[in-house]
Amino acid sequence: IAGITQAPTSQILAAGRRMTLRCTQDMRHNAMYWYRQDLGLGLRLIHYSNTAGTTGKGEVPDGYSVSRANTDDFPLTLASAVPSQTSVYFCASSDGSGGNTGELFFGEGSRLTVL
Amino acid sequence: GQNIDQPTEMTATEGAIVQINCTYQTSGFNGLFWYQQHAGEAPTFLSYNVLDGLEEKGRFSSFLSRSKGYSYLLLKELQMKDSASYLCAVLDSNYQLIWGAGTKLIIKP
Repeated sequence: IAGITQAPTSQILAAGRRMTLRCTQDMRHNAMYWYRQDLGLGLRLIHYSNTAGTTGKGEVPDGYSVSRANTDDFPLTLASAVPSQTSVYFCASSDGSGGNTGELFFGEGSRLTVL
Repeated sequence: GQNIDQPTEMTATEGAIVQINCTYQTSGFNGLFWYQQHAGEAPTFLSYNVLDGLEEKGRFSSFLSRSKGYSYLLLKELQMKDSASYLCAVLDSNYQLIWGAGTKLIIKP
């Protein structure tokens, strides 16, 4: 049982480089989310998708983009990485029918360091 | 603005009881959630309250008072494996989760 798979688990990246964090789920959940988690702060929503083909901006979307071509995949792209994007990134999904039930299933996280 | 407050860190003794408080001010309310997150791991769902009162699930219970904007998570018969961060989150009127910064619980033998 995979649930949600994120890749890579850890990455060190030079500033200015482009980076895509991959996220795949096998639970057929409608909604998917990308969060970043920084020490002393709560989880902050970057982007979300309520269903395949749609995306929306969260609390901290600047510098990030997402796509949702199908139900299973929800990649997060940093077009030109900056040191402030150093963080742990979590992908999550929920079985909401077009909405967020609040019960999220998380991937194991991707630790990104931008130098 | 929207705000969720919970203590940064708490310490308790193995076998004891601990209560982790959470207060919230959000635009609308569609439920309150508690998640557990062990160091270096992903958060996992613990409990959900949408009506006032106590929800019990084994050693863990969660309480909600909507009029006071207040919840607590009660952990009984503490075990060393309960050492983790506990995250409080509220589903707002737009069905977006607003997260607290988390409470790091340290269990001592």
